Amino acid sequence: ETGVTQTPRHLVMGMTNKKSLKCEQHLGHNAMYWYKQSAKKPLELMFVYNFKEQTENNSVPSRFSPECPNSSHLFLHLHTLQPEDSALYLCASSINPRDNFYGYTFGSGTRLTVV
Amino acid sequence: GDSVTQMEGPVTLSEEAFLTINCTYTATGYPSLFWYVQYPGEGLQLLLKATKADDKGSNKGFEATYRKETTSFHLEKGSVQVSDSAVYFCALSSGAQKLVFGQGTRLTINP
Repeated sequence: ETGVTQTPRHLVMGMTNKKSLKCEQHLGHNAMYWYKQSAKKPLELMFVYNFKEQTENNSVPSRFSPECPNSSHLFLHLHTLQPEDSALYLCASSINPRDNFYGYTFGSGTRLTVV
Repeated sequence: GDSVTQMEGPVTLSEEAFLTINCTYTATGYPSLFWYVQYPGEGLQLLLKATKADDKGSNKGFEATYRKETTSFHLEKGSVQVSDSAVYFCALSSGAQKLVFGQGTRLTINP
């Protein structure tokens, strides 16, 4: 247990489904992140939130919709996904986005398969 | 912009072999440097870090020294075990908005 909890661990969804990924941390961190990890590709930063405000969106398609209701919770809402969206989705948190001493704490990820 | 370059994998070694995974970086200012490890089916875990030049980070028998003159942060371990099989990521943070990761190096240790 790293302190960042992601649910579900595995998700299979059809291209017309709507589902949500959840991330929760009680580390007192103020920044939260969504990453996508695909096979044989580098880690891709998707979104950054700082004190519940989105501060970065790396040209992510609108079929991915993040939500951060408070500093402890982060969601990724999914709809009309494509098979190429199948990947491991990782959530991370840090004290703040400019923290360069402690680094990030990652969750175990949600393995998403789009069929 | 800031960037991290790791040696290409995969790397395959026998148990008790010496390990080096190279990492070099480009950054403005004075970044902090990190190594993360990802075991199969898991997220990334912080393995070690160094926050200033000549610092040595160490954990679980792994070491890396922050070399400003060569802009490097190579990961080493004197005697690897099967349980060290994982993907290793070098990363830097220079106070910008995000941690910058290398592409990852997959390590397999055979008994």
